[in-house]
Amino acid sequence: GGIITQTPKFLIGQEGQKLTLKCQQNFNHDTMYWYRQDSGKGLRLIYYSITENDLQKGDLSEGYDASREKKSSFSLTVTSAQKNEMAVFLCASSIGGNSDYTFGSGTRLLVI
Amino acid sequence: GDSVIQMQGQVTLSENDFLFINCTYSTTGYPTLFWYVQYSGEGPQLLLQVTTANNKGSSRGFEATYDKGTTSFHLQKTSVQEIDSAVYYCAMRPNTGYQNFYFGKGTSLTVIP
Repeated sequence: GGIITQTPKFLIGQEGQKLTLKCQQNFNHDTMYWYRQDSGKGLRLIYYSITENDLQKGDLSEGYDASREKKSSFSLTVTSAQKNEMAVFLCASSIGGNSDYTFGSGTRLLVI
Repeated sequence: GDSVIQMQGQVTLSENDFLFINCTYSTTGYPTLFWYVQYSGEGPQLLLQVTTANNKGSSRGFEATYDKGTTSFHLQKTSVQEIDSAVYYCAMRPNTGYQNFYFGKGTSLTVIP
């Protein structure tokens, strides 16, 4: 079986800092996603990538950059962390088409 | 536009109670519908999915029926247990071209022993 690994599990940053979150999958899935999870707001799509070197903006892309240099990895950068920001960032992957998503366990971000 | 609506933000039940979580969707055509479950400290995982209208999906005692007429995909379980305490997300993938998922806002279920 495969796995999606997100690093780090916990991230504490300072206001204005650039922060990078990493995601690796060994399913050989084509498509990868970054979601932000806030209490009461569900899952909101930040970026997704259909294949290596492809990037597509989601509904919440402002304030974020992403990079897909290899098929197996997808990184997300918070370009300028906002004070008191607290959220969980979830990475997911899928084969594509009508297949379901497989999620990582998340990176929990706190900005002080 | 495309959307998924889950009105219940939090549900608290006692063990062996009946669970019903409301989910409705909006899109054109025939989407694929999903329920995901997220346990504390983990990412969401697929609970069940249904691709064909009027079919029922089931897993671990949970059921959901794809009702095209009412555009609903409610989640039910006859008798919940404490281990079912989690957040449940309804999701939809439209079938028009390449489409990402639309997630509901999630329902946090707490089952009291």
